[in-house]
Amino acid sequence: DGGITQSPKYLFRKEGQNVTLSCEQNLNHDAMYWYRQDPGQGLRLIYYSQIVNDFQKGDIAEGYSVSREKKESFPLTVTSAQKNPTAFYLCASSMGLLKHEQFFGPGTRLTVL
Amino acid sequence: AQKITQTQPGMFVQEKEAVTLDCTYDTSDPSYGLFWYKQPSSGEMIFLIYQGSYDQQNATEGRYSLNFQKARKSANLVISASQLGDSAMYFCAMRDGNSGGYQKVTFGTGTKLQVIP
Repeated sequence: DGGITQSPKYLFRKEGQNVTLSCEQNLNHDAMYWYRQDPGQGLRLIYYSQIVNDFQKGDIAEGYSVSREKKESFPLTVTSAQKNPTAFYLCASSMGLLKHEQFFGPGTRLTVL
Repeated sequence: AQKITQTQPGMFVQEKEAVTLDCTYDTSDPSYGLFWYKQPSSGEMIFLIYQGSYDQQNATEGRYSLNFQKARKSANLVISASQLGDSAMYFCAMRDGNSGGYQKVTFGTGTKLQVIP
């Protein structure tokens, strides 16, 4: 079945450690996205990528980094520079045209101890 | 800059009644798309309905319809015949060409809907 996978579902890390969240899609979508969601809040865009080897900062990119070496993969690294990394992280992909909706993965809940 | 506003943090509706969730947007691009998503407590995001800025008719998908008032820049979601399974967070989102070449999508803060038996 086509879709988006994120792993792991739950992730615990010690403060000061970098951590990488995985996102893979087999929908052949060009565009991929990373969002952060805090309890009771909306989605805030971290990074997005329109094509392989290209990505743009979203609204809250500080303390995060991404890569897009393959069309199917868009991993997100939460660095130690991110002041408050505990949150729910959602990855999405889309065809990228105006009318095309985003397809979301199940999310990764990151807790920094 | 694009902006989405959802002014209702929470709403209650009686089962089988209709409910309207508000969404206003701001963009200077004449070409844009508006989306509604549902997020149950499990966390996954479910696409509900899409409205394009040039669409002549309001979008409908089953029990969901979008009350699109372009001049007022509003795109309210109407859920008819509410069911208990409709209890969730609902997000309005917009995609336009002002930034990111139609790739960037901005979300509102969401409305928590609770359906009462």
